[in-house]
Amino acid sequence: EAGVTQFPSHSVIEKGQTVTLRCDPISGHDNLYWYRRVMGKEIKFLLHFVKESKQDESGMPNNRFLAERTGGTYSTLKVQPAELEDSGVYFCASSQPPSGGWTGELFFGEGSRLTVL
Amino acid sequence: ELKVEQNPLFLSMQEGKNYTIYCNYSTTSDRLYWYRQDPGKSLESLFVLLSNGAVKQEGRLMASLDTKARLSTLHITAAVHDLSATYFCAVVPLEVYGNKLVFGAGTILRVKS
Repeated sequence: EAGVTQFPSHSVIEKGQTVTLRCDPISGHDNLYWYRRVMGKEIKFLLHFVKESKQDESGMPNNRFLAERTGGTYSTLKVQPAELEDSGVYFCASSQPPSGGWTGELFFGEGSRLTVL
Repeated sequence: ELKVEQNPLFLSMQEGKNYTIYCNYSTTSDRLYWYRQDPGKSLESLFVLLSNGAVKQEGRLMASLDTKARLSTLHITAAVHDLSATYFCAVVPLEVYGNKLVFGAGTILRVKS
């Protein structure tokens, strides 16, 4: 079974440019999450989709960040325009919908490293 | 706001030794997760602890949860080099819907031969 895949693995852009990160969750996982780790800091929650709906976007830093999940499948996270402080590793994770024996375990991708110069 | 504190943040140990990583959290929770990350890789789920007193073991690692003390421990027995990685604990606050994990800062473990 394929795990969570993220693309690109690394992106280097200039301040003011736009970057779009993509996440393909594990098939059948309704829940999709974005997290971010800025250098030297903790991994922080950004937002949570249930299928195509945003359940919680309380962690989104500002309106330069836009997340979408088309048809409840893959998700994109767009940063426009990028600033220096947006540099970090963006992780995507997915989990199964609640059911018997549900543990809430999140399965993470390898992350997309964003460097803004 | 829930805060999760891990200590130590960096641990260098000799092969064959035992050690414990601590994870304290500041508010009520009944779900705690331990993850391992190798450089440039994804976070790999190690343990899911869902109740007070839960204890899970996998190989040389054992995790426990004390919800009353708001403390989880990850105990390493007879460390081997392959255990070198960064270990994270993550907690879900009770009042939060879904699985909005709050992570500790991570413990970088280096096992020396």
